[in-house]
Amino acid sequence: EAAVTQSPRNKVTVTGGNVTLSCRQTNSHNYMYWYRQDTGHGLRLIHYSYGAGNLQIGDVPDGYKATRTTQEDFFLLLELASPSQTSLYFCASSEGLRAETLYFGSGTRLTVL
Amino acid sequence: EQQVQQSPASLVLQEAENAELQCSFSIFTNQVQWFYQRPGGRLVSLLYNPSGTKQSGRLTSTTVIKERRSSLHISSSQITDSGTYLCAKNTGYQNFYFGKGTSLTVIP
Repeated sequence: EAAVTQSPRNKVTVTGGNVTLSCRQTNSHNYMYWYRQDTGHGLRLIHYSYGAGNLQIGDVPDGYKATRTTQEDFFLLLELASPSQTSLYFCASSEGLRAETLYFGSGTRLTVL
Repeated sequence: EQQVQQSPASLVLQEAENAELQCSFSIFTNQVQWFYQRPGGRLVSLLYNPSGTKQSGRLTSTTVIKERRSSLHISSSQITDSGTYLCAKNTGYQNFYFGKGTSLTVIP
């Protein structure tokens, strides 16, 4: 079973604050993803990466940066957090180009006051 | 455009009843995945079903590519089946599009 670990589990910040969400996967998957989940919208892709140093833009990238430092580690950065970024964030990973499934972390609940 | 539509949005069953969840796609896909999620919890892969019928325990998925739809049948529901069921399609470019999910509540 693929292991994807996210931290922190919960985070509260203020408008304009800096936030970094961390994700580590331990199965040497090539692809990693950041999603946000909101009521009424479902899961939406923010950024994804297919290897260290690579970054691809997803469907809702505005206000977010991401960095893939190693095969295992993928970070999501909110440099000027806004209340609209209050959400449940999931990291996921997958194997090859036509992966059958995604392996998800437990999520980070972010509240921006 | 909502590429993946799920119905019903919510469903309440009594224990031991069967559930039928539907997923339809606005654009052709041959990569369909069903996930399960407890409230606020991790998503767990249930079934990968690109076409035809696939079964895993009490779960049966049927995907009809030319009709751009997939279904998930849960037989003999249990209280622990409560949660949200999401279907997703893989565009083939490593981007999974998700439906908004069906919230299932199983009561005694």
